[in-house]
Amino acid sequence: QKEVEQNSGPLSVPEGAIASLNCTYSDRGSQSFFWYRQYSGKSPELIMSIYSNGDKEDGRFTAQLNKASQYVSLLIRDSQPSDSATYLCAVNPSNYGGSQGNLIFGKGTKLSVKP
Amino acid sequence: NAGVTQTPKFQVLKTGQSMTLQCAQDMNHNSMYWYRQDPGMGLRLIYYSASEGTTDKGEVPNGYNVSRLNKREFSLRLESAAPSQTSVYFCASSEGRLNTEAFFGQGTRLTVV
Repeated sequence: QKEVEQNSGPLSVPEGAIASLNCTYSDRGSQSFFWYRQYSGKSPELIMSIYSNGDKEDGRFTAQLNKASQYVSLLIRDSQPSDSATYLCAVNPSNYGGSQGNLIFGKGTKLSVKP
Repeated sequence: NAGVTQTPKFQVLKTGQSMTLQCAQDMNHNSMYWYRQDPGMGLRLIYYSASEGTTDKGEVPNGYNVSRLNKREFSLRLESAAPSQTSVYFCASSEGRLNTEAFFGQGTRLTVV
């Protein structure tokens, strides 16, 4: 069973701090990795994608991937109250088996940024 | 650009009733998906359509059927609704299934009483 694990939180950080969200996955052959943000009562919104080892930066967001450790993280710099949401990690597993190519989602980490 | 559009946004059904959730995308994507989201369970895949003309079961297909009407539209049908199907349903689409980003509709909140 391919799995994606996230700490459910809540993770509470003060405004202006760095929020660090972590995700581990079980399928070593996974190909691509995504972070979605979901506000309460809304649909998931794609904020970052990463495909190779290392860091990828987009504004205040940095995604980090370490395939050897099967670990992907999301850093949010200068956190704002508007960043308060649940963050979902999604992994596209390796190309074998009946479900190849379908994203596997973690259960999400709830982030709260306090003013 | 509307992206992925779902209807209805809210629905209350009585046990045993049937209904169809509609989904359409205007991004010319090949693949479409239906998920359900329940508290503590995360997003679970019900059915998917890798390309026009094909549909396959996901993780939790029991009690549901789907139709890929054309490249744009992918519907989810509940033939005989049960309280266990109370959930938030999301439709999503992606350009392909491998290594591509998925985009979600706004969701349908379904309550079965």
